[in-house]
Order: sequence, then structure tokens, then C-alpha cells
Amino acid sequence: AQKITQTQPGMFVQEKEAVTLDCTYDTSDQSYGLFWYKQPSSGEMIFLIYQGSYDEQNATEGRYSLNFQKARKSANLVISASQLGDSAMYFCAMREGGGGADGLTFGKGTHLIIQP
Amino acid sequence: GAGVSQTPSNKVTEKGKYVELRCDPISGHTALYWYRQSLGQGPEFLIYFQGTGAADDSGLPNDRFFAVRPEGSVSTLKIQRTERGDSAVYLCASSLIISRSTDTQYFGPGTRLTVL
Repeated sequence: AQKITQTQPGMFVQEKEAVTLDCTYDTSDQSYGLFWYKQPSSGEMIFLIYQGSYDEQNATEGRYSLNFQKARKSANLVISASQLGDSAMYFCAMREGGGGADGLTFGKGTHLIIQP
Repeated sequence: GAGVSQTPSNKVTEKGKYVELRCDPISGHTALYWYRQSLGQGPEFLIYFQGTGAADDSGLPNDRFFAVRPEGSVSTLKIQRTERGDSAVYLCASSLIISRSTDTQYFGPGTRLTVL
């Protein structure tokens, strides 16, 4: 079974609108971290936001916020007031605190295109 | 400060040849990771170093792949007898390990490997 599922291969959004990128995850660990990365066409992976499994508040970083619903195993990224420069691939990733590999497990990504 | 750097940015080689890819992590980061990203996919974990030792190499696809980090800083990913299926972007990331599940990884720009 996939550990990270991103169900939106692509999204078109009008500039200045808010956008939600979906991510669901699968783990039996109690301790884990969830991460979102942005990958523009230039290829670098840019860290956006982190949510810990024990965090009671949803994480926020500027225009980025994470809608964390632990019971549903959901960690959606919300981008407020989208800008043309937000056009990129977005990856959700998880690292489990207990067993499993030490690296991040990534989803397949969502290609977000912001239209003027 | 300087981010993670990777060289070369592009490498074209012929099937059967040997290649080395280099990663220079953020200064002071003790943890270093290698990932492989195929076209249209999220990155896949290959190997993790804590200091000089490979703490987890469970993601290496076969024994043609090997990585070293002899002085606990720069790492080299080595691929022997390259195959066309090895063509991908190889990403390196580093982090300051605080705890396993809160560790934020910062990525380099990647090396695009093409095996003809």
C-alpha cells in the first residue's frame, strides 16, 4: 500500500485564489513528521512546511498552512492568495519515527499551475 | 549560508560505464541522504549517512550502487556498470538531526544522469 497518496495529478487555479493540495498518509507509528516540498521547473526541492504528529496546532508558514486531520490521516497544504510564482510541482512526504527506512517517503506530487 | 551543492549538474554516460556523483552538504549538518527521482515521480530514498557511516542503505536498488562519506562531510554516490534504467535525477539532502520524525531535510539542485 502507498504510504503517501496525492490524488490530484494537476490543478489549475486563478491567481489570488486560495488552493488546497490533498495528501493522505498511512502509518502505524504514533510519532511521525509530515513535510511539504515545492519543486519548480528548475528542479530544486524547496522545503515549505512541517507538521509533527503530536502537534496540536496546524502548522503555518507565511502563505502556507497545513490542514492536519490526524484521525483521517490527512495533511493538506493550503496556499492562500496564490501567485504566479507558485506554479510548480508540490510533494507531500512523511518520515516515521519508529521503524522503516530513514529517508522521507514522498507522494507522486501535484502539478499546480496558477493562471493570471 | 551556502546550501547543499551537487556536482556535476548533468552527466551523460554510456551503458556499462562507471560514474561518481558528489554532494557537499550544508556546513554542520551531520545527516546526509541520497534520493533518486525518475521522470514524473517523487524522490525515492536510497541511503542515509549519520556522520561517516551509512546508517541505512535499504533503498539502494542493487549492488551496483554504493556511497561513501569518508570524513563525515562530502559524500560520493558511485554507480558501476550503468544501465539505461539508472537515468534519473539524483538528489542529495542534509539535515541537523534533532529527532527522527522532526528532522527537516534540505535538498541540493540534483545531478541529472543520462545513460545512453
